[in-house]
Amino acid sequence: GAVVSQHPSRVICKSGTSVKIECRSLDFQATTMFWYRQFPKQSLMLMATSNEGSKATYEQGVEKDKFLINHASLTLSTLTVTSAHPEDSSFYICSAGGRPNTGELFFGEGSRLTVL
Amino acid sequence: AQTVTQSQPEMSVQEAETVTLSCTYDTSESDYYLFWYKQPPSRQMILVIRQEAYKQQNATENRFSVNFQKAAKSFSLKISDSQLGDAAMYFCASSPGWETSGSRLTFGEGTQLTVNP
Repeated sequence: GAVVSQHPSRVICKSGTSVKIECRSLDFQATTMFWYRQFPKQSLMLMATSNEGSKATYEQGVEKDKFLINHASLTLSTLTVTSAHPEDSSFYICSAGGRPNTGELFFGEGSRLTVL
Repeated sequence: AQTVTQSQPEMSVQEAETVTLSCTYDTSESDYYLFWYKQPPSRQMILVIRQEAYKQQNATENRFSVNFQKAAKSFSLKISDSQLGDAAMYFCASSPGWETSGSRLTFGEGTQLTVNP
């Protein structure tokens, strides 16, 4: 299957700083990428849909000014958590689908963010 | 809009036995996909099996098979000859079939499967 790489896998930062997480599709072009958030022992919650060359579409309740998403190329989407606070600590997972659409998404390894 | 419900937060099975995980869904889409994903302790999401809603035949992948009941909107996963490596959180998910490039998945709450030796 297609490979999606996410970096960093773990990051610890101080409250008030910003953190960037990268999501790359290594062997295919992804015009659309998705960012999920997962709390311990809970399901994945879709945060936003990242579209190459256009603005991201955020789910209801997700602060777009806090979670900045950029999809500058067909193989890279970034999620920046701005002015991070302890409540932003979570596991963030990106995913991407290829063309043609088979419905399947390919997932990155996830990034665990801890805000002190 | 799509919703997915998994009513079993935890399940356990003896090694080599068979276990069935339940999933129900609701969707307004006429064309959609259904999935079972596995998330082991590494947290990497792994596709277990996939079903296109327009196909009546139940999908199978080696020891994994589904029972897709479209009218009842039910999509259960059967794991045969369970192995210790099957222990993980299992998520049922759905996505609309009309999107051209990648589909937004809606996940159920998950079922934590324990395999006892």
